[in-house]
Amino acid sequence: SSELTQDPTVSVALGQTVRITCQGDNLRRFYASWYQQKAGQAPVFVMYGQNNRPSGIPDRFSGSTSGDTASLTISGAQAEDEADYYCQSRDSGGNHKVFGGGTRLTVL
Amino acid sequence: EVHLLESGGGLVQPGGSLRLSCTASGFTFSSYAMNWVRQAPGKGLAWVSTITGGGDTTYYADSVKGRFTISRDNSRNTLYLQMNSLRVDDTAVYYCAKATDYYDSSGHIDFWGQGTLVTVSS
Repeated sequence: SSELTQDPTVSVALGQTVRITCQGDNLRRFYASWYQQKAGQAPVFVMYGQNNRPSGIPDRFSGSTSGDTASLTISGAQAEDEADYYCQSRDSGGNHKVFGGGTRLTVL
Repeated sequence: EVHLLESGGGLVQPGGSLRLSCTASGFTFSSYAMNWVRQAPGKGLAWVSTITGGGDTTYYADSVKGRFTISRDNSRNTLYLQMNSLRVDDTAVYYCAKATDYYDSSGHIDFWGQGTLVTVSS
């Protein structure tokens, strides 16, 4: 299957650590990318590969992959991290992109 | 600074056509593959199409294959999406999105435009 599965909602207390996961068979072959989308805004690229942050992304964001599951971890979540988070990878053929359904992160 | 500006969205009847444009600046447009990604109201992101830097190779989601055509004019730094036989379920914000290399080998998207809304309704 080319699907990527994410938990629809996750919450975290301010300053605590949260892990957002993404599960899919093709993650055994292709790394995931992660995007943050705040309400009414375009997505922003926040993580790629095993654990690579694009320029400008705070170092409280980290990534990892184990087997068929990719994870985005926010260590010391801030109020401004409240957003929808999407994972993305590729299908078995490698040429089509696939997005997860998204995880809405609430910072309490 | 990378900037992507979409235009061409609007209201169209089912079965109609629309052409979206995306004007790029801040990078060497011809050196990068480009994508269209859409988001239906209240829903998640969905990949639509990708075109390599030279425009010679294109890929489409099954849901739009045969109806949509992606193209680019590197002399004008502009990406296009021709949408024909539009359906109600094509209603979405359409984002223009830059890949990280010429052939889209990495599969990542590093910059997104602000999007243009396409509404298909009678």
